[in-house]
Amino acid sequence: DAGVIQSPRHEVTEMGQEVTLRCKPISGHNSLFWYRQTMMRGLELLIYFNNNVPIDDSGMPEDRFSAKMPNASFSTLKIQPSEPRDSAVYFCASSPPGAYHKNIQYFGAGTRLSVL
Amino acid sequence: KQEVTQIPAALSVPEGENLVLNCSFTDSAIYNLQWFRQDPGKGLTSLLLIQSSQREQTSGRLNASLDKSSGRSTLYIAASQPGDSATYLCAVQGGADGLTFGKGTHLIIQP
Repeated sequence: DAGVIQSPRHEVTEMGQEVTLRCKPISGHNSLFWYRQTMMRGLELLIYFNNNVPIDDSGMPEDRFSAKMPNASFSTLKIQPSEPRDSAVYFCASSPPGAYHKNIQYFGAGTRLSVL
Repeated sequence: KQEVTQIPAALSVPEGENLVLNCSFTDSAIYNLQWFRQDPGKGLTSLLLIQSSQREQTSGRLNASLDKSSGRSTLYIAASQPGDSATYLCAVQGGADGLTFGKGTHLIIQP
């Protein structure tokens, strides 16, 4: 299995532009998580999906952030408009169906976003 | 709100030493605790998962313990090697949601 695949690996954009980050979870996994990592705040959960349905988006910082999961094999995280303070590494993770307490989350390599 | 603290923030030791990384959390109502490794520019790799009903887990030279009532976990690395150099992250799962992470311990093993 190729693992969780994120694209792009690096994204440099200018303030005000729209940014779309993509994630392909591991086949058969039914939970998907978006995290953001910064030096100041560490790793924070933004939103997670179960069976393609958003369950908790309380970590999404502002209305400028939105996430979708149109099917079991694809999710996007969109920032519109982007701001310099959105610069961070964004991780996607997935986990298989089953009891939550037993499930390891598998992380993608991340997307490093720089907003100038 | 769950908070996870890791001590020390950074650690540098000579190769061959045994070492302990510490993690504490404020809310003991957790489903599990996981230790991850993160290499520079890379994603996270899960090292050990301890369910709330368990006291410890072992994998090779790694041993993680969990004391849920006191809100503490330790990761013990035996006979450290330069290849163990990385950032080690502790995370807890408090229900059907994502993980709450500590800020990590940046570990350097000197050859």
